[in-house]
Parts: sequence; C-alpha cells; structure tokens
Amino acid sequence: DTGVSQDPRHKITKRGQNVTFRCDPISEHNRLYWYRQTLGQGPEFLTYFQNEAQLEKSRLLSDRFSAERPKGSFSTLEIQRTEQGDSAMYLCASSYPAPEQFFGPGTRLTVL
Amino acid sequence: DQQVKQNSPSLSVQEGRISILNCDYTNSMFDYFLWYKKYPAEGPTFLISISSIKDKNEDGRFTVFLNKSAKHLSLHIVPSQPGDSAVYFCAASEDSGGSNYKLTFGKGTLLTVNP
Repeated sequence: DTGVSQDPRHKITKRGQNVTFRCDPISEHNRLYWYRQTLGQGPEFLTYFQNEAQLEKSRLLSDRFSAERPKGSFSTLEIQRTEQGDSAMYLCASSYPAPEQFFGPGTRLTVL
Repeated sequence: DQQVKQNSPSLSVQEGRISILNCDYTNSMFDYFLWYKKYPAEGPTFLISISSIKDKNEDGRFTVFLNKSAKHLSLHIVPSQPGDSAVYFCAASEDSGGSNYKLTFGKGTLLTVNP
C-alpha cells in the first residue's frame, strides 16, 4: 500500500530564495489538494486539482505561489521569493471517489 | 472567522476510560464531517467520517455523533489507550463545485491518555 508521499520532508532556505515541493498521490486518486499548517492551527486549504486541472485556489495562495499537476499524477508547489511568513508545514492530500482525504507526511519549510 | 471550532485545546484521560472530543461548526453548507489524528512531524491520519444524513457512525473503538440542529459533533473513543495520545482535528467539507471537497479544519485538541 503506497500512500501519499512528499519530498523533501524538510527544507531550510534563506529569505528571497525559490523552493519547490513535490507530492505523489495515491495512484488511483484523481483529486489532489495542498494545505498549509502553522503552529497551533489546523491545516488550511491552498489549492485543488482534479486530474491535471487546477480548479480552485485559496486567497491564501499569493502570486508568489504556483502549483502544477502536469500529467494528472504528481504535483509540485513552488514558492518564489520566500518570506519568513512562509515558514510552515505544507501538506498534500489525495482522494477518490469519497470525500475522505489521505495526507502525506508533509514538507516542513523554514525560511531564515 | 473560524467556521470549525474545537474549544478544548487539550484533554487528559485515564487509560480504559472514555475520551470525548467536541467540535462545533457555523457553516450550514457543510455536509460531511471527518476526524483526523496527528502525531508530531507527521501528516494527519484519517480516523472516521460521517455524512450529514446520519447522526452516528461507528468504527471499532471510535464513534462519531452528529447533531445538525446544534451544529455540533463529537468523537468518542472507548476504551482509550496510551497510543491514542495525539492531536485530534475535526474537519468539515462541502462540495464547492467540480467535486472539490476541500476541508475546513478546527485548531485541534491534544489528547493525552495516561497509563
């Protein structure tokens, strides 16, 4: 049983640098979600893909953030010109057909 | 404006007793509710869910109760075990179009089960 995987697990970067995270969903899942979690909060929705189409983006996703799912399989989340406020756990989840979402282990981003 | 609220940041229970975690919501459009368990440095793990057309769902030691009129749900764990110690998140979803069941989470409740 291969669950959702994310890479890297941890990323430390300097302010102003670009970072990219990867998510590999459960293979038969066509829905893919990105969330962000900060300390003391629950995960917050960022964006949603159905197959390769990005169907919704949260207002939390500023212009510095971009996400892709080019072939409807893995997805990438890129943050350009990182800021200290971007430090968080970035979580990927997938689902199909039920509403239950299955999460990966997350990527912990620290911006210095 | 928090649409899903978990008003107890923490809960401590003795092993073998019942743990009751509570959750309130404000958005009447939510039609599916889920509970997740999270250990430090890991992603949330799905536990149990309930559709708004039901008022109870049971899976082993875990039971979720939904009171739509009060916009309240609860998770019961019986009997509680030390391995249940974790942060529990309540989440809710609505179909916002295109089968997008995005989740809205509460802030979580830290459950500690003492041996």
